[in-house]
Amino acid sequence: QKEVEQNSGPLSVPEGAIASLNCTYSDRGSQSFFWYRQYSGKSPELIMFIYSNGDKEDGRFTAQLNKASQYVSLLIRDSQPSDSATYLCAPVWGSARQLTFGSGTQLTVLP
Amino acid sequence: EPEVTQTPSHQVTQMGQEVILRCVPISNHLYFYWYRQILGQKVEFLVSFYNNEISEKSEIFDDQFSVERPDGSNFTLKIRSTKLEDSAMYFCASSLTSGAQETQYFGPGTRLLVL
Repeated sequence: QKEVEQNSGPLSVPEGAIASLNCTYSDRGSQSFFWYRQYSGKSPELIMFIYSNGDKEDGRFTAQLNKASQYVSLLIRDSQPSDSATYLCAPVWGSARQLTFGSGTQLTVLP
Repeated sequence: EPEVTQTPSHQVTQMGQEVILRCVPISNHLYFYWYRQILGQKVEFLVSFYNNEISEKSEIFDDQFSVERPDGSNFTLKIRSTKLEDSAMYFCASSLTSGAQETQYFGPGTRLLVL
């Protein structure tokens, strides 16, 4: 059973602060790790993905991957109220590259 | 910008009835997926489809489920005899390839309620 663990939150940060979201996974065979954002009642939308150890930056978002520790994180700099959503960590596995989602971390950015 | 579309947006059905959920993937994409999300729970993989056949399926995807690409644009999920526990949001997704770095784009979902 492939497990993906995320702190469910809720995580609250003030506007302009850095939000840090964490994820651990059980399958060492996972090759890539996707971060999706999901607003209530909506479908997941891609933020970014990472596949190499280290950091990857995309605008206000930075993903960090440590395969030895089976840990991936997402940092959101200069958090905005519009960033308030549930953030889903999703390793990719299997021949069809299906996503295994964590339960998500609910983030609230306070104005 | 190309997007995945799904119809209907909401579906209410009686237990034991058959439902068909429809998806139109992004036009040049080759890999298609169905996921579901029961209210308050995580998004779960159901099935992946490539070259007109199932490539992977989860334990959830039992004999009451089937998928089909009846023409060049639609991708359908059929639930033959719905159960109360099938009530969920069903998401279709598509990707261009099955590469580990390939993004899956999700449709807006169909909310299925089984009474």
